Amino acid sequence: NAGVTQTPKFQVLKTGQSMTLQCAQDMNHNSMYWYRQDPGMGLRLIYYSASEGTTDKGEVPNGYNVSRLNKREFSLRLESAAPSQTSVYFCASSEMRLTSTDTQYFGPGTRLTVL
Amino acid sequence: GNSVTQMEGPVTLSEEAFLTINCTYTATGYPSLFWYVQYPGEGLQLLLKATKADDKGSNKGFEATYRKETTSFHLEKGSVQVSDSAVYFCALKERNNRLAFGKGNQVVVIP
Repeated sequence: NAGVTQTPKFQVLKTGQSMTLQCAQDMNHNSMYWYRQDPGMGLRLIYYSASEGTTDKGEVPNGYNVSRLNKREFSLRLESAAPSQTSVYFCASSEMRLTSTDTQYFGPGTRLTVL
Repeated sequence: GNSVTQMEGPVTLSEEAFLTINCTYTATGYPSLFWYVQYPGEGLQLLLKATKADDKGSNKGFEATYRKETTSFHLEKGSVQVSDSAVYFCALKERNNRLAFGKGNQVVVIP
């Protein structure tokens, strides 16, 4: 049981390049999330998927797209990378039970630098 | 909208000292509250949580009590260790199951 896995761990891009960050979970969770972490800003939600087949914008969606490929996988795509997208990206998942005790589990992160 | 506020700045203290990290929130209703910990180079891990007023979450010697009257969820540990050095995030769960995070506090424990 690996939990939430993310690839790659590190990536350097040039401005204008595109790339996809991959995320997978093996906990049979319904909901998945993408966050970015910047110094002094905490974590900010980019996009989330409440269940397979649905995606919704979070707090900072501009410049990103997502795909919920199946129940296990949720990818984040940068179509034309910008230096402002230099950040650490975290994927998370949760069962999305209709109770207040639902907990999000996080992957190890992808550190992205855009030059 | 909902928001979480954590005290400004890193926290540096000696081993075996008492740790407090303040967290206050603004929200409609009574959201679930969480503390997450991030060790160097890792993702976030759930440390503890509380789902209703006066609940006390506890784990690994850390405690936090859900105080409705002061809208607070302060994190405490009686005797910290070097291994507690990490970044600590307070968060609340919104109605759509999204988490709203505070900005985090870096804790450095010196031997």
